[in-house]
Amino acid sequence: DSGVTQTPKHLITATGQRVTLRCSPRSGDLSVYWYQQSLDQGLQFLIQYYNGEERAKGNILERFSAQQFPDLHSELNLSSLELGDSALYFCASSVGHLNTGELFFGEGSRLTVL
Amino acid sequence: DQQVKQNSPSLSVQEGRISILNCDYTNSMFDYFLWYKKYPAEGPTFLISISSIKDKNEDGRFTVFLNKSAKHLSLHIVPSQPGDSAVYFCAANNAGNMLTFGGGTRLMVKP
Repeated sequence: DSGVTQTPKHLITATGQRVTLRCSPRSGDLSVYWYQQSLDQGLQFLIQYYNGEERAKGNILERFSAQQFPDLHSELNLSSLELGDSALYFCASSVGHLNTGELFFGEGSRLTVL
Repeated sequence: DQQVKQNSPSLSVQEGRISILNCDYTNSMFDYFLWYKKYPAEGPTFLISISSIKDKNEDGRFTVFLNKSAKHLSLHIVPSQPGDSAVYFCAANNAGNMLTFGGGTRLMVKP
């Protein structure tokens, strides 16, 4: 158990819809990262928040947005969903804002867009 | 542009033998390299790392080798155990910036 909690574990929705994925980082961790893993591909970095502020941005689509709340949990909002958005979405956390790479990952949220 | 590549999508080895997983990168600015292991229905877990100032780092059965001139790193697992069967991702970053992952190699260790 990494200490990172993601909900929901599975989500099935239709094209054009909007979903919200939630992540609670490990206790004490200030940074939250979101990654997307499409079928048989590596993890693509989406976005990082540190202590409520956006810290780094990767290949995140404009239809996607995220935020980190004062209690440090984070939400990833995916809108106008397309079939290609079907993927595993991982949240990870770390203590500091510098990404030394030793991230703690949640179990992921599997999104299926039909 | 895939900056970190794992060219072997899968690898099968016999229990007790050596597993060698390979990773190539293109960005010469990467200064820290990591290996993560992922079991089905779980998130990736950190396994071992190496700084660009070193060429080898060992942790028990796991050793990571870095060849900067070739922009290549490898993970050796000796001896391999059935519980090592998982997907292994290599990853790299630069000065604390975002972590870039390879596509993963599925290792199967046969009893």
